[in-house]
Amino acid sequence: AQSVTQLGSHVSVSEGALVLLRCNYSSSVPPYLFWYVQYPNQGLQLLLKYTSAATLVKGINGFEAEFKKSETSFHLTKPSAHMSDAAEYFCAVTLRGGTSYGKLTFGQGTILTVHP
Amino acid sequence: NAGVTQTPKFRVLKTGQSMTLLCAQDMNHEYMYWYRQDPGMGLRLIHYSVGEGTTAKGEVPDGYNVSRLKKQNFLLGLESAAPSQTSVYFCASSLGIGELFFGEGSRLTVL
Repeated sequence: AQSVTQLGSHVSVSEGALVLLRCNYSSSVPPYLFWYVQYPNQGLQLLLKYTSAATLVKGINGFEAEFKKSETSFHLTKPSAHMSDAAEYFCAVTLRGGTSYGKLTFGQGTILTVHP
Repeated sequence: NAGVTQTPKFRVLKTGQSMTLLCAQDMNHEYMYWYRQDPGMGLRLIHYSVGEGTTAKGEVPDGYNVSRLKKQNFLLGLESAAPSQTSVYFCASSLGIGELFFGEGSRLTVL
């Protein structure tokens, strides 16, 4: 079975500051990893995904994440926060292979607040 | 450019009432999923389907039933609603390699 732990349910940064959202995973086999973003009263949108190609993955809106197998981590970063980045962010994992059927296991979510 | 459409978007039920949430996708995806979202718990998988006519249980299936009679539709039913089923429900579809496309959610309150 696989699981995801997001460290910190709330993160607050100033506009222009570095954004770092932490995600650690547990998986018995090499996983696929994802970050999704949810704006208020909307569904989830894919930010980026790791599917075993490059370990540094670039996504939309200037976000990127690095897969570190030794640390079982997939932290999300953005060099300079913008007010429009305020949202809830979810890390998710799925197992490779047909029997996973694409099912994602989500972390608890991290609410990002950006102060002017 | 519809993607995944959920109806209704809001519903209030009394305990014991029944209802059905409808999910429709126009991307010809084989896989469809129903998740519920509760504060501090992320999204939890209720049921999923790997193709027309198939359904399977997810992490929290109790109290829910599903049907996939047509490839583009995935229905979630509550036969006897309970206050613990107050939640936001999300439908998603995918090609089966992990990238899920989500609807905008259905907010259900059970009194």
